[in-house]
Amino acid sequence: GESVGLHLPTLSVQEGDNSIINCAYSNSASDYFIWYKQESGKGPQFIIDIRSNMDKRQGQRVTVLLNKTVKHLSLQIAATQPGDSAVYFCAENKNAGNMLTFGGGTRLMVKP
Amino acid sequence: GAVVSQHPSRVICKSGTSVKIECRSLDFQATTMFWYRQFPKQSLMLMATSNEGSKATYEQGVEKDKFLINHASLTLSTLTVTSAHPEDSSFYICSAMGRIAYEQYFGPGTRLTVT
Repeated sequence: GESVGLHLPTLSVQEGDNSIINCAYSNSASDYFIWYKQESGKGPQFIIDIRSNMDKRQGQRVTVLLNKTVKHLSLQIAATQPGDSAVYFCAENKNAGNMLTFGGGTRLMVKP
Repeated sequence: GAVVSQHPSRVICKSGTSVKIECRSLDFQATTMFWYRQFPKQSLMLMATSNEGSKATYEQGVEKDKFLINHASLTLSTLTVTSAHPEDSSFYICSAMGRIAYEQYFGPGTRLTVT
């Protein structure tokens, strides 16, 4: 079946650098995408979302980019801080329904 | 606002016993709640969708008789793992749907260990 980015890579960055976390999705019917941050032993925390009619959305220190042509989603974190260390998941919602499908996640490690 | 709690946060039980996990929306009403399971270093896998006042909808491969879901009120859904076995050990996370479709607020998770 279709899936969202099933892999769990690790990204290691220096404190203060920018981070880019990528996600590939395969369902062209998805119209809403969300990035979550999950710290060890905790539930996912909403970071930022984007609808399929947009290709970029900015928040505080974070930017999400959506490339529907290649079915790619990315999360950019500016001036990465130690507190950003966590696992980041992308999730997709199909046709404005209720269910989310989660990607495999990326572990971000910030070196001081 | 939009706080979701889970109880207990951690539970250890013996093989063959049943365990109940509660998911509560503290400051909003949720007609729909979701239950996920997460194994170590893996992503969240949706187990079932819990609808207030009706039967839960289970994902393929999830045994409804083993994972009993009750959503008796607009602020509470419970997941009961019946006749638990060590392979049921996992991190169980619930979420509650807000007023806008596809907005989900996640609970802090429950770590279940079956010995």
